[in-house]
Amino acid sequence: EPEVTQTPSHQVTQMGQEVILRCVPISNHLYFYWYRQILGQKVEFLVSFYNNEISEKSEIFDDQFSVERPDGSNFTLKIRSTKLEDSAMYFCASSGGGGMYDEQFFGPGTRLTVL
Amino acid sequence: SQQGEEDPQALSIQEGENATMNCSYKTSINNLQWYRQNSGRGLVHLILIRSNEREKHSGRLRVTLDTSKKSSSLLITASRAADTASYFCATAWNYGGSQGNLIFGKGTKLSVKP
Repeated sequence: EPEVTQTPSHQVTQMGQEVILRCVPISNHLYFYWYRQILGQKVEFLVSFYNNEISEKSEIFDDQFSVERPDGSNFTLKIRSTKLEDSAMYFCASSGGGGMYDEQFFGPGTRLTVL
Repeated sequence: SQQGEEDPQALSIQEGENATMNCSYKTSINNLQWYRQNSGRGLVHLILIRSNEREKHSGRLRVTLDTSKKSSSLLITASRAADTASYFCATAWNYGGSQGNLIFGKGTKLSVKP
């Protein structure tokens, strides 16, 4: 069964460093999302991406964040200068077999630890 | 805003019993989705119910949606120890600029004792 994959599973970085989190969405999906979950808190929407551009973003998704679909399969989230409060589990999701209001399938997540 | 709030926050039952979790939301939605998350792991999609649907079944899962009360429930029948996990509802808002992004609740932590 097709699934969303994410790498790495765990990333440890120093404050101020840049990190890139990678995702491979399900191959025929058209809508891509990043969410994050700070330990013990709700899953929060960061950004949605469709047709090679950002379609919606939350207040969390400030200038330190960017997304890219560099080729036909990968979808990346970059944090330019990490802060302690960026420590969280980051989830990639994709949907789109039936449109943007279709089921969203999530990857296993990347646990980001900023020291 | 508080969208997709589940209750109870925690539920502990014996194997074989049914578990019911509820979710409330505040705005107009296109659909509501339920997810399961085992401790520290990813989100597993369980079921999607659209705003024009009232009930859906998938195996031992039964989901209802009452748009007049802005609430949904997830029933797991004949629970198993393997059902132990956190369960989240997530709503896709229905407004012009929406791209289907989901708003999650805080979840219900279900513990099924063997």
